[in-house]
Amino acid sequence: QKEVEQNSGPLSVPEGAIASLNCTYSDRGSQSFFWYRQYSGKSPELIMSIYSNGDKEDGRFTAQLNKASQYVSLLIRDSQPSDSATYLCAVNTNAGKSTFGDGTTLTVKP
Amino acid sequence: DGGITQSPKYLFRKEGQNVTLSCEQNLNHDAMYWYRQDPGQGLRLIYYSQIVNDFQKGDIAEGYSVSREKKESFPLTVTSAQKNPTAFYLCASSTSRGGPYEQYFGPGTRLTVT
Repeated sequence: QKEVEQNSGPLSVPEGAIASLNCTYSDRGSQSFFWYRQYSGKSPELIMSIYSNGDKEDGRFTAQLNKASQYVSLLIRDSQPSDSATYLCAVNTNAGKSTFGDGTTLTVKP
Repeated sequence: DGGITQSPKYLFRKEGQNVTLSCEQNLNHDAMYWYRQDPGQGLRLIYYSQIVNDFQKGDIAEGYSVSREKKESFPLTVTSAQKNPTAFYLCASSTSRGGPYEQYFGPGTRLTVT
């Protein structure tokens, strides 16, 4: 079992829809959780971080964390073609050292 | 502007040659990291350093070496022992004490070895 697993893609949604990206992790001691966006050929860019159970909203993005279920998700509301990218989930398992999932590629169709 | 720089953006080498990739940060972060990314794959950790003059192997350290003589700099050498060196190399940095441990990435170096 991988330490961090993301739902296999690719994921395709129409413009204006909600995109839902999921991630599970194996280390119950994990404390910090991150979502990165990576455009093709570019480096990852941090878009959300979450540390406590519940929801955290930032504009069109909402991160959700459930430590009991070892599950973290990212919702993108009103998806735009510019949201088309690969989304990486990262879990901090050892102070400063994060483990990344393999990513889910999202395509938003106009 | 605070950030992480990597140079060069593209690098071409012949098989059997060692090559050093540069990574510099002015974010005053203690921790720095090197990742490798192959097409369609996630990030794999090569080496990381949480403090000057100290570093640890990641998941795929064989064929690579690093140094951390200055807080701002964490160069990566890809040696001739690395069997498949062609990849996209990413450097990142973060705080290492007390959190929040968010990693910030440089623009990456795309290495091609023929």
